[in-house]
Amino acid sequence: SYELTQPPSVSVSPGQTASIPCSGDKLGDKYASWYQQKPGQSPVLVIYQGYKRPSGIPERFSGSNSGNTATLTIGGTQAMDEADYYCQTWDRNTVVFGGGTKLTVL
Amino acid sequence: QLQLQESGPGLVKPSETLSLTCTVSGGSISSSSFYWGWIRQPPGKGLEWIGSIYYSGSTYYNPSLKSRVTISVDTSKMQFSLKLRSVTAADTAVYYCARDRRLLWFGELTPIFDYWGQGTLVTVSS
Repeated sequence: SYELTQPPSVSVSPGQTASIPCSGDKLGDKYASWYQQKPGQSPVLVIYQGYKRPSGIPERFSGSNSGNTATLTIGGTQAMDEADYYCQTWDRNTVVFGGGTKLTVL
Repeated sequence: QLQLQESGPGLVKPSETLSLTCTVSGGSISSSSFYWGWIRQPPGKGLEWIGSIYYSGSTYYNPSLKSRVTISVDTSKMQFSLKLRSVTAADTAVYYCARDRRLLWFGELTPIFDYWGQGTLVTVSS
């Protein structure tokens, strides 16, 4: 079965750029989406099809996908961006989620 | 604004069947390009897709759960439901329902989850 791998945690200072990678075999040939989940809340879609932002998602959220890695980038990270982030793709009619990355803003 | 709301028992005994319903409001469950999905999250762990259903009844299931799962839809009630059989403590999780929007990607319809319910905790314990 297809697997997506994320680092368990990433730290960033306020105002700096945070990059969260998601790796999978030839992931760049597939699409990648990203979800933000804050404690006690439901996930929220922040990036889809690699780089597109849903309505209402701040411009500081961006995405890229090439080779074996998709990357979620948060420019000018704010304290409110502290959350768990999950990547997601679709392989052989199966939805696959990455294990999640806890972003700490400190 | 589309809203989804999960409902069902919060406690299920081991070996029994977990049953949940998701009620959709503020939109049509019969809209084209949309499936309706179930995703779960064990306490302190990541997201796991369970399966998705189209209003016609067409389904996709996670292969790891397929033998125990049935997802059904009732368009007249604007509801879709999950049944998970023979549960164990490992099935304890927050269960979310979500809209599974299909987008064309190089000739294939691929899913994203753009609206989520608030989630409901189901504990498997005697």
